[in-house]
Amino acid sequence: RKEVEQDPGPFNVPEGATVAFNCTYSNSASQSFFWYRQDCRKEPKLLMSVYSSGNEDGRFTAQLNRASQYISLLIRDSKLSDSATYLCVVLNYGGSQGNLIFGKGTKLSVKP
Amino acid sequence: GAGVSQSPRYKVAKRGQDVALRCDPISGHVSLFWYQQALGQGPEFLTYFQNEAQLDKSGLPSDRFFAERPEGSVSTLKIQRTQQEDSAVYLCASSSLDRQADYGYTFGSGTRLTVV
Repeated sequence: RKEVEQDPGPFNVPEGATVAFNCTYSNSASQSFFWYRQDCRKEPKLLMSVYSSGNEDGRFTAQLNRASQYISLLIRDSKLSDSATYLCVVLNYGGSQGNLIFGKGTKLSVKP
Repeated sequence: GAGVSQSPRYKVAKRGQDVALRCDPISGHVSLFWYQQALGQGPEFLTYFQNEAQLDKSGLPSDRFFAERPEGSVSTLKIQRTQQEDSAVYLCASSSLDRQADYGYTFGSGTRLTVV
């Protein structure tokens, strides 16, 4: 079993739709949590960090449930430009250094 | 520089050839990471440097893979006697120790290696 598991996707949605991605992680000691976005043939880029209190950035809302080891990302009013692969990422610490562990990613395609 | 710079952007190698991939991290970033991303997969950790010290190389898939960062800035990932299964995108990332908990790492554009 992989340490970070995501919805398999792909998600094909019309413009304006609300779409939710889910993710679970297996290491209860994981310290920090992120959603990264990766466009085709590009590098991963930080979309947002995820906090236990939940956080919002415009149309994007991220939630963390430490007890269930579950992370979510909600995209409201989706745009064509939201089409990308969304990677769920956890940061684990060994000693003083963190190591990012990535999920396989969920591909989102927003259609006109 | 302003971002993480990797070269070459693309590399085609014949099976058995040695390759060297370069990473120039963000100036002042102490931590440097190498990841391997196969098609359709998320990035997988290879190795980590703090300054010039290689503190974790647990992700290197075989002894054909070797990484160095001799002066604590530029890093090179070397793959000896390349095999077809080495074909992947190799991503370099850097971070400062005090910001990674909130901001993760910054990635370079990667080197796409194709072994033929």
